[in-house]
Amino acid sequence: QVQLVQSGAEVKQPGASVKVSCQAPRSTLISYGFSWVRLAPGQGFEWMGWISAFTGDKNYAQKFQDRIVMTTDRSTSTAYLELKSLRIDDTAMYYCAKITLLRGIDFWGQGTMLTVSP
Amino acid sequence: DIQMTQSPSSLSASVGDRVIITCRASQGIGSKLGWYRQKPGKAPERLVYAASTLQNGVPPRFSGSGSGAEFTLTISSLQPEDFATYFCLQHYNYPWTFGQGTKVDIK
Repeated sequence: QVQLVQSGAEVKQPGASVKVSCQAPRSTLISYGFSWVRLAPGQGFEWMGWISAFTGDKNYAQKFQDRIVMTTDRSTSTAYLELKSLRIDDTAMYYCAKITLLRGIDFWGQGTMLTVSP
Repeated sequence: DIQMTQSPSSLSASVGDRVIITCRASQGIGSKLGWYRQKPGKAPERLVYAASTLQNGVPPRFSGSGSGAEFTLTISSLQPEDFATYFCLQHYNYPWTFGQGTKVDIK
């Protein structure tokens, strides 16, 4: 079992940016890959991309390519998702997830609710 | 993008029932598929990876099968804690894609 602890709920206005964090167990981050996934109300899960904490390799879903930045900070064992130019339809629960490319997503964070409202 | 068609979208069942959920991929994905359960208000948890390998700690009433483009998750005897939403995830190609989910509720 791997505990991923995400930052708290956010409320933003359209056009703003948000940065969500995901803290992994100390000294283990470097061996992890992370994906970010969102679940909008009434919709299915949507994969946003992944980042390797070891190499920095990334792959973003084309839909989000021009609006997202995924980073990791080894000193704090934290992964980050920044989403820019927010729209009302970005309102969703955002999950970080530990991954391996061989076996997909194995553990999930508890989720961070983002509400985008004028 | 690979489309994952999951069925049924919902079902009603009783404790002890056998439940089968299917995911069909729009193209072959080998065995790069996982099954997940999400209880209300909780984070998802993985039940099966590599299409048929049970995650450590997951009860043996769960099983996964299939390869290529058609996959099933079977719950052999539904328990009260299994009333939840189930979904599949393919990680064969980018972007990774999910089935739309199956909500299992109490009959």
